[in-house]
Amino acid sequence: QKEVEQDPGPLSVPEGAIVSLNCTYSNSAFQYFMWYRQYSRKGPELLMYTYSSGNKEDGRFTAQVDKSSKYISLFIRDSQPSDSATYLCAMSWGSNYKLTFGKGTLLTVNP
Amino acid sequence: NAGVTQTPKFRILKIGQSMTLQCTQDMNHNYMYWYRQDPGMGLKLIYYSVGAGITDKGEVPNGYNVSRSTTEDFPLRLELAAPSQTSVYFCASSQMSGVTIQETQYFGPGTRLLVL
Repeated sequence: QKEVEQDPGPLSVPEGAIVSLNCTYSNSAFQYFMWYRQYSRKGPELLMYTYSSGNKEDGRFTAQVDKSSKYISLFIRDSQPSDSATYLCAMSWGSNYKLTFGKGTLLTVNP
Repeated sequence: NAGVTQTPKFRILKIGQSMTLQCTQDMNHNYMYWYRQDPGMGLKLIYYSVGAGITDKGEVPNGYNVSRSTTEDFPLRLELAAPSQTSVYFCASSQMSGVTIQETQYFGPGTRLLVL
């Protein structure tokens, strides 16, 4: 079993839809959870960061972590065509600065 | 502030050739990383550095070498290019604060490498 599994997609939704992106993990030591957004032919950029179970909101984006189920999600409300990108989950533990990434989910938001 | 810059943007190599991928950051970050990203495979860590003069292997180091003589620069060297090294290479940097993990790794725009 891979350490981090991410729903592979691709995902295609109409503008205004609520999008749910998900990752599961097997390493219970993971404490820090991130979501990166990567536009085509660009480097990843950090979207959300959290280190505790529960929800964290930032505008239209909500990151959810359930450590008991080893499951993290990213919700995008009122999705826009500009949200079309690949979304990567990443996680780490303690003072370990090395990130373990999921494979990414390609999202397309259609106008 | 340019952030993390990488050169070249794209390169075609013949099998057995060598090349150096350049990475520079102007944020005075102590940590730097090299990743490769194959289609549909996420990012795999090749090498990382926690400061000038200190480097260590990541998950997929074979066929690569690195050095870190300054805080700003972290070049990645391919000595004998192989088709399996065809990939997109990303450099990243971050700042470690005390004993807490950095919140952000800043990524460069990537170098696309094709080995034929």
